Amino acid sequence: EAGVVQSPRYKIIEKKQPVAFWCNPISGHNTLYWYLQNLGQGPELLIRYENEEAVDDSQLPKDRFSAERLKGVDSTLKIQPAELGDSAVYLCASSRRAGSSYNEQFFGPGTRLTVL
Amino acid sequence: AQTVTQSQPEMSVQEAETVTLSCTYDTSESDYYLFWYKQPPSRQMILVIRQEAYKQQNATENRFSVNFQKAAKSFSLKISDSQLGDAAMYFCAYRSAGQFYFGTGTSLTVIP
Repeated sequence: EAGVVQSPRYKIIEKKQPVAFWCNPISGHNTLYWYLQNLGQGPELLIRYENEEAVDDSQLPKDRFSAERLKGVDSTLKIQPAELGDSAVYLCASSRRAGSSYNEQFFGPGTRLTVL
Repeated sequence: AQTVTQSQPEMSVQEAETVTLSCTYDTSESDYYLFWYKQPPSRQMILVIRQEAYKQQNATENRFSVNFQKAAKSFSLKISDSQLGDAAMYFCAYRSAGQFYFGTGTSLTVIP
């Protein structure tokens, strides 16, 4: 079974530029999460999708961040414009429908963003 | 609000010895799940062990076991016979209603 796929693995941009990250979850996983992880910290949720619906985006800075999961499968997270403080690792994770037993998350390798 | 606290930013253990990583959490829920995730330097996070809150028996996975104290809201991870490959960041996580909350992690060093 293929795992969670993310691309790109690394991205370096100048501040004020736009950037986009892509995630393809494990087949059959209804729930998709985007996390931000700063160095030496745990993941912090940005947005959670149940199929194509964003059910929790309270931590997403909506002035510059946006996300979509149009067909309830893969997802894109965008930052426009990027700021220096956005430098971090962006993790995508997926799980089966919320409420099912265990419902563990499977993580992708992450995208390391550096904003210069 | 649910919070997860890992009070040990760094731990070290001699190879083949046993180490325990601490985790406490705060919740008013009665139905939830707890997890320990491992994140090696390559950064891919993988599940180590999980525990359902309604189960009194502590979960065990080979060399990894937990000490789940529900009343104390404590969920520690014990690694027995530590191996060099166990060196990583370890994150404690709490899940309720589809939402996950992570601690700040413990960096484990294994000394040969």
